[in-house]
Amino acid sequence: EAQVTQNPRYLITVTGKKLTVTCSQNMNHEYMSWYRQDPGLGLRQIYYSMNVEVTDKGDVPEGYKVSRKEKRNFPLILESPSPNQTSLYFCASSRRVESPAYEQYFGPGTRLTVT
Amino acid sequence: GQQVMQIPQYQHVQEGEDFTTYCNSSTTLSNIQWYKQRPGGHPVFLIQLVKSGEVKKQKRLTFQFGEAKKNSSLHITATQTTDVGTYFCAGSNNDMRFGAGTRLTVKP
Repeated sequence: EAQVTQNPRYLITVTGKKLTVTCSQNMNHEYMSWYRQDPGLGLRQIYYSMNVEVTDKGDVPEGYKVSRKEKRNFPLILESPSPNQTSLYFCASSRRVESPAYEQYFGPGTRLTVT
Repeated sequence: GQQVMQIPQYQHVQEGEDFTTYCNSSTTLSNIQWYKQRPGGHPVFLIQLVKSGEVKKQKRLTFQFGEAKKNSSLHITATQTTDVGTYFCAGSNNDMRFGAGTRLTVKP
C-alpha cells in the first residue's frame, strides 16, 4: 500500500530536549516536505527536499533541521525544542511540485507538545 | 514571495445549502491543487487545475481556475454532513504554497 508514515504520532517533551520525527514513504517520490499546522494559519512549509542530498528552507525553518540521505526518508530534527514549536506536523511526498505538479501524499501527522 | 490567500476562514451551513471557498494568489500560478482534511485527519488530494479558465467537476464539487491563473474556487452544491472538514488550496509555481484553509461545518 502506497503510504507516508510518521513516527511518533504523539509526543510530549520538555524545552531543550532534542527530538527527531521520522518520515518515510514507499512510493519512490523525489519530493518530500515538512509542514506545521496551527489554528488559523493553515499549512506552513518548514523544509522541503527535491531529491536525495538536496534540501531547502520553506517559510518557517527556524529551529528545525532536516536531512535527506535516502530517497525514502526525510527526518525532522528539533535540536532544542521550545514551546512555540508545539504544533501538528505533517510530512508529505510527491513525484514533484514544479509544473506540472503531482499530488502530495500526506502522512498521518505528529502532534508535538513542548512544555 | 508567492502568497496564497483563502476565504472565508470558516463557513457554517445548513445541510442542503451550497458552499464556496475562494483562493487568491499574489502571483500567476502554473497550477493549483485542492485538498480536503477531515477533522482529526490529514490533507487528502482532491484535484489539480492547470489550464487558464479550467472547470472540473467531481459529483457535487465544482472547481474553477481563473483566466489569469491567479485565483480559484471550490463550490459544493447541496452540502451533506460528509462534506465536513477543512478545504485547502495549494498554488504551485517553483514551489507550493497552501492557503490557510476554509473550515466547513454542516448542520443536519
